[in-house]
Amino acid sequence: EIVMTQSPATLSVSPGERATLSCRASQSVSSNLAWYQQKPGQAPRLLIYGASTRATGIPARFSGSGSGTEFTLTISSLQSEDFAVYYCQQYNNWLPLTFGGGTKVEIK
Amino acid sequence: QVQLVQSGAEVKKPGASVKVSCKASGYTFTGYYMHWVRQAPGQGLEWMGWINPNSGGTNYAQKFQGRVTMTRDTSISTAYMELSRLRSDDTAVYYCARADYYGSGSFAPYDYWGQGTLVTVSS
Repeated sequence: EIVMTQSPATLSVSPGERATLSCRASQSVSSNLAWYQQKPGQAPRLLIYGASTRATGIPARFSGSGSGTEFTLTISSLQSEDFAVYYCQQYNNWLPLTFGGGTKVEIK
Repeated sequence: QVQLVQSGAEVKKPGASVKVSCKASGYTFTGYYMHWVRQAPGQGLEWMGWINPNSGGTNYAQKFQGRVTMTRDTSISTAYMELSRLRSDDTAVYYCARADYYGSGSFAPYDYWGQGTLVTVSS
């Protein structure tokens, strides 16, 4: 099983500031890495796939980078609606498709 | 538009079973795999397994082997997840999520999710 580790667990950021979230895989997943956003009481929403491609309708302030085992999600200028929990997921290996533990982005 | 609509919340006693449904619309049901993911209160996301709606083939996470059964009814574009021998730590929101299959064991990420079904296990 590929273990996904996200850091930090909680990130306190002021509106308008930049947020940088990290995700590390225990072995290479190539670029088969996705990021999801989850708000309280809602299902996760796909933000980024292929490590760096924004999903349909996702604003340009969200960007992803990395390959292999190290990945980053950057939110360039945090808006009020961006405060949420973010999960990475590897889909390189089909048994099982694993998620990171999540990073909560909260208002500073 | 693509929609995955799940059945309502359930309260079950330890040792019982629960069956959650996920009705798909807006796309060809048999053209995408359906995965199930759960989330315990305040916790992260846990993959449970998938079903191929076209063939009925399944693959379950080792943790749930022997307790989970995923089925589908193509006539009504609905996938089901049944979990048996429920324990208190099965209390969670259960999600279905659609994934394209690239072949050779490779999937796309989840582009559509159901709204979630809360299953509470309590005596």
